[in-house]
Amino acid sequence: DTEVTQTPKHLVMGMTNKKSLKCEQHMGHRAMYWYKQKAKKPPELMFVYSYEKLSINESVPSRFSPECPNSSLLNLHLHALQPEDSALYLCASSRQTNTEAFFGQGTRLTVV
Amino acid sequence: DQQVKQNSPSLSVQEGRISILNCDYTNSMFDYFLWYKKYPAEGPTFLISISSIKDKNEDGRFTVFLNKSAKHLSLHIVPSQPGDSAVYFCAASDSNYQLIWGAGTKLIIKP
Repeated sequence: DTEVTQTPKHLVMGMTNKKSLKCEQHMGHRAMYWYKQKAKKPPELMFVYSYEKLSINESVPSRFSPECPNSSLLNLHLHALQPEDSALYLCASSRQTNTEAFFGQGTRLTVV
Repeated sequence: DQQVKQNSPSLSVQEGRISILNCDYTNSMFDYFLWYKKYPAEGPTFLISISSIKDKNEDGRFTVFLNKSAKHLSLHIVPSQPGDSAVYFCAASDSNYQLIWGAGTKLIIKP
């Protein structure tokens, strides 16, 4: 299994909603990441987890809350988002933080 | 200030010919470089990487060249195939691990 699986694939939410994005990998990778990608731009790093501990938070607003329940799962909890948060949210994992990352297909998020 | 630059937003190449995608960087602390390929509405797919201790890495049709003195790397795809049409991102990292991405180059393979 060399996949990073993200659910849901698409999500439409209102500005008062609470939702969660999920990411799962079974490659034994100990580093997991959340990226945000806007159209025609490279992915922007949001959070890095290393050995289930948050190691990097790229000044992301608190309406985005990551959670790493175990080494295979990574969640991104969303609350009170703004329309400008609409984007493709990508999860990635790697063996360690300094090796190549493998990406999931992403969740296309639309905030209305 | 862009630390990783891909100066060509797009590149059009005839099928069967060589595609050469270029990437320049400014931070001499970068020690690991990666190329990713991305189709619309999908996550990037890792293609090939190179460590700063090497100047060339080859994997099938893909070869990455690194010129440290010029702070330049390039991805060669030969022969180019229609399925290679995608956006290609160059990324670099240092020992603290932060993937710094280029803006991407859209590669179009013409039949």
